[in-house]
Amino acid sequence: GAVVSQHPSRVICKSGTSVKIECRSLDFQATTMFWYRQFPKQSLMLMATSNEGSKATYEQGVEKDKFLINHASLTLSTLTVTSAHPEDSSFYICSASAGSTQPQHFGDGTRLSIL
Amino acid sequence: EDQVTQSPEALRLQEGESSSLNCSYTVSGLRGLFWYRQDPGKGPEFLFTLYSAGEEKEKERLKATLTKKESFLHITAPKPEDSATYLCASQAGTALIFGKGTTLSVSS
Repeated sequence: GAVVSQHPSRVICKSGTSVKIECRSLDFQATTMFWYRQFPKQSLMLMATSNEGSKATYEQGVEKDKFLINHASLTLSTLTVTSAHPEDSSFYICSASAGSTQPQHFGDGTRLSIL
Repeated sequence: EDQVTQSPEALRLQEGESSSLNCSYTVSGLRGLFWYRQDPGKGPEFLFTLYSAGEEKEKERLKATLTKKESFLHITAPKPEDSATYLCASQAGTALIFGKGTTLSVSS
């Protein structure tokens, strides 16, 4: 149980392109979904927290106009990286939780490479 | 500032050689201490949640323990398939604060 699917697993695109990443909880309803960014040999850094039907809460230093988050249902959240540039290249990982007392379950991440 | 520090950064063991990974945390109002396993190119896989000092949880060759300042992940008689990066995270509000992880390599 507690499976989170993230798609696509890898994206390579040109600078200036917008990229959408999907995160789905397959076998549970996720009241809260989280988006992280991970650099090699570094911690997962929380970018934003989203609750179904509400605006996402962004961490300090994360541009909300660049990283658009939509959490339209209890099983789906999307992250859109708008007008991506090479410095946006990273490993993006989503997680989902069934409630504040429940652990977060993670997707397998999306490797984004901007040329 | 809430912080999680893991040590060692890397650990090499022979198959069957037991050891422990350390996670030190400073957080106000700890709601949970989490352990995850992460394989290369994958997302973290949930292992354990610990809520209060003195609590222990086990799963196969892994046992997690918690004190007021630290958590340990004990690995008993590890196998090569236990090779991975082990992440520790603390939770105060809704967000998790992750350490950088310990990369474990077990050779046969």
